[in-house]
Amino acid sequence: TQLLEQSPQFLSIQEGENLTVYCNSSSVFSSLQWYRQEPGEGPVLLVTVVTGGEVKKLKRLTFQFGDARKDSSLHITAAQPGDTGLYLCAASTSGTYKYIFGTGTRLKVLA
Amino acid sequence: GAVVSQHPSWVICKSGTSVKIECRSLDFQATTMFWYRQFPKQSLMLMATSNEGSKATYEQGVEKDKFLINHASLTLSTLTVTSAHPEDSSFYICSASSSTEAFFGQGTRLTVV
Repeated sequence: TQLLEQSPQFLSIQEGENLTVYCNSSSVFSSLQWYRQEPGEGPVLLVTVVTGGEVKKLKRLTFQFGDARKDSSLHITAAQPGDTGLYLCAASTSGTYKYIFGTGTRLKVLA
Repeated sequence: GAVVSQHPSWVICKSGTSVKIECRSLDFQATTMFWYRQFPKQSLMLMATSNEGSKATYEQGVEKDKFLINHASLTLSTLTVTSAHPEDSSFYICSASSSTEAFFGQGTRLTVV
């Protein structure tokens, strides 16, 4: 059973556009992570959100954790071709580093 | 930062043979490591939890006799795919956690022909 549903699954946009990726679940998590993965490589951590309602910014990326700690969003402003990749949310139900990964959002930013 | 290294990065093997993949934490000790599998165009699926000095814990649907895991030291876990078949072809990724963060290896692409 996939506990983390991401939407959209695929997204192709023009350089300079904004986008939002969603990660939803019916479970409550103590923390949630966002990763970015390039083809043929392991995922790289972008951010960890812990507190309900928390907002974190990483340059043009804004991450938000839902108030109930069941969902999260990733917003990218003025997307660039270098943002192209697979974006994954991940969370643990056990409070350990044993992660369940979201279904993934494949982003392609066209120059 | 902490680094987790996998070896090999890619491997091609014949059906029926076994393949061993290593996962090393280079600058920290990890009592627990995790093994994931990722099929093309899909997300990562947790296969098992590798525990140093004890048996691995497998997720539902993962055959423990086919995917042998050994965590003999605090810096090394190995995954052996036994009697590999083409359907085992996948991208295998390990992770190891320090006290504050989980780090992922670069992955191993296994192709069984």
